[in-house]
Amino acid sequence: DTAVSQTPKYLVTQMGNDKSIKCEQNLGHDTMYWYKQDSKKFLKIMFSYNNKELIINETVPNRFSPKSPDKAHLNLHINSLELGDSAVYFCASSPTHFGGTGELFFGEGSRLTVL
Amino acid sequence: AQTVTQSQPEMSVQEAETVTLSCTYDTSESNYYLFWYKQPPSRQMILVIRQEAYKQQNATENRFSVNFQKAAKSFSLKISDSQLGDTAMYFCAINPQGGSEKLVFGKGTKLTVNP
Repeated sequence: DTAVSQTPKYLVTQMGNDKSIKCEQNLGHDTMYWYKQDSKKFLKIMFSYNNKELIINETVPNRFSPKSPDKAHLNLHINSLELGDSAVYFCASSPTHFGGTGELFFGEGSRLTVL
Repeated sequence: AQTVTQSQPEMSVQEAETVTLSCTYDTSESNYYLFWYKQPPSRQMILVIRQEAYKQQNATENRFSVNFQKAAKSFSLKISDSQLGDTAMYFCAINPQGGSEKLVFGKGTKLTVNP
């Protein structure tokens, strides 16, 4: 039973298209995150949500719009895709926003390739 | 702001030998957690070990142990009896407490275990 699941795992699309990546966690966690891993494997936070409320927005272009319909789901929509958006996008969750162990539980990642 | 530095982009070790991966960090927070995550070729991010900054005792998990030097802001990972399955990218990360909770990663060390 997958704890943090992302769909799709792989996505290949043309420049200029709009695409979405979905994430669901069944751990009962309050906080969810999107991280981007670039071609050099560097992981950088993009967004975090706590109980559907946006907490962190790390200078991400506004073509990226996260949406959290409930605390178990955090989706990422990307408009007008650019070549530089090609990366692996990781969804993660953690039990509490302030306090706790600080550990994040990651999904398997979604590899986005923009042609 | 938190920063994490991993000075060894790549390392290799013979099977059954011991290897140490280096990590230094910087933070103004007094309380924080430090982590080592492993990312095998499957892409999944797997927690290897966690250390609470207020604990002086070094964390251990089976073959994995850390050398935590708080004054020096150093957090190295020792892998004993290396196995082929240890081949992966290893990321050091910090998560401060008391503020916006997010994991900040180093750039990773690619470890190859040779037979």
